[in-house]
Amino acid sequence: QQPVQSPQAVILREGEDAVINCSSSKALYSVHWYRQKHGEAPVFLMILLKGGEQKGHDKISASFNEKKQQSSLYLTASQLSYSGTYFCGTEKGAQKLVFGQGTRLTINP
Amino acid sequence: DTEVTQTPKHLVMGMTNKKSLKCEQHMGHRAMYWYKQKAKKPPELMFVYSYEKLSINESVPSRFSPECPNSSLLNLHLHALQPEDSALYLCASSPTAFYEAFFGQGTRLTVV
Repeated sequence: QQPVQSPQAVILREGEDAVINCSSSKALYSVHWYRQKHGEAPVFLMILLKGGEQKGHDKISASFNEKKQQSSLYLTASQLSYSGTYFCGTEKGAQKLVFGQGTRLTINP
Repeated sequence: DTEVTQTPKHLVMGMTNKKSLKCEQHMGHRAMYWYKQKAKKPPELMFVYSYEKLSINESVPSRFSPECPNSSLLNLHLHALQPEDSALYLCASSPTAFYEAFFGQGTRLTVV
């Protein structure tokens, strides 16, 4: 079952923060985050494998709340390069990664 | 080398044609995938190969036929496609199934 992302789209000014949420009606075993710029391939951001896990690099981090069956991606002090569509992916059974519908992030100068 | 290379980048084919998409990686990854992506939609999983064996076929029509000749190569053979099959076809690989996946730039397929 496809995870649900919110919001569907965000427009920010450079330097502002954003939060993208990903939730599932079924138990989550892991959450994967990818970013895809227009006309390019998706790029891996991070994977969270267990409840309570938090990860981050640069100013992008994520948390995974296993009990609430949701994950959030945090973008701090956004840069122009953060623009793109962000997808969360959850495992639907062994080896099957299902992506959410995506969140389009636009960063304006 | 952390690249997944797909060829061709663009392909236009008729509904009676036979064509193949190629994907190559030299990272030693043992899992390889084909995804289909329509405009403004997420990638949809089509096939998964794990250790050169087909492990998942997501009920893909038989006009799409995957092949994994060796651990570095993945092909997708196309035959008698329909216009609705027009999409971006993405290949990806990962060390093992569903860890960090590296995507190729995709083949933009148009069926006329």
